[in-house]
Amino acid sequence: GQNIDQPTEMTATEGAIVQINCTYQTSGFNGLFWYQQHAGEAPTFLSYNVLDGLEEKGRFSSFLSRSKGYSYLLLKELQMKDSASYLCAVMDSNYQLIWGAGTKLIIKP
Amino acid sequence: NAGVTQTPKFRVLKTGQSMTLLCAQDMNHEYMYWYRQDPGMGLRLIHYSVGEGTTAKGEVPDGYNVSRLKKQNFLLGLESAAPSQTSVYFCASGLTGEVSPQHFGDGTRLSIL
Repeated sequence: GQNIDQPTEMTATEGAIVQINCTYQTSGFNGLFWYQQHAGEAPTFLSYNVLDGLEEKGRFSSFLSRSKGYSYLLLKELQMKDSASYLCAVMDSNYQLIWGAGTKLIIKP
Repeated sequence: NAGVTQTPKFRVLKTGQSMTLLCAQDMNHEYMYWYRQDPGMGLRLIHYSVGEGTTAKGEVPDGYNVSRLKKQNFLLGLESAAPSQTSVYFCASGLTGEVSPQHFGDGTRLSIL
């Protein structure tokens, strides 16, 4: 079967760095997406990886290792507004997104 | 630019009632999707459409029907609502079905009593 695993919840301190991991087993791979979802709101696109390596976008970076079925989202200089759920999704061989259950990130002052 | 708009935002139904959720996008996207989001689970694809006049089943299509009569609109219907369909429903659209990100509406919170 297809499976996306990410931690249920993480806590970090304002101004610090946090890494959210995602491991996957899917039928085919056409890219990995990270989305942010604030409570009660819609998911919004953060980043996309299709090749191995690190993609950097301001305070957010995303890493992919296809051979290990592994990705992480790195958030630097954490701000209170970063408190949200972070969703990992893999595009499978049918170009459909398979979603993880999300990681709820709690930022403490 | 409105993006993806869903109506209604909230609804309470009784078991056996029917209703239609509306989704409209103004980005000229070809692909549109309906997902449901339940606590502790990832988003699950109900149905999707690759263009006007086309629809296809996703992971959890039973109990739902869809129509895409116009490119900008994607309708999700519940013919006979069941408590198991209590969920948050999200509509999304994408420029293509491949590497383009999906853009989501604000969701419809549906409770079936």
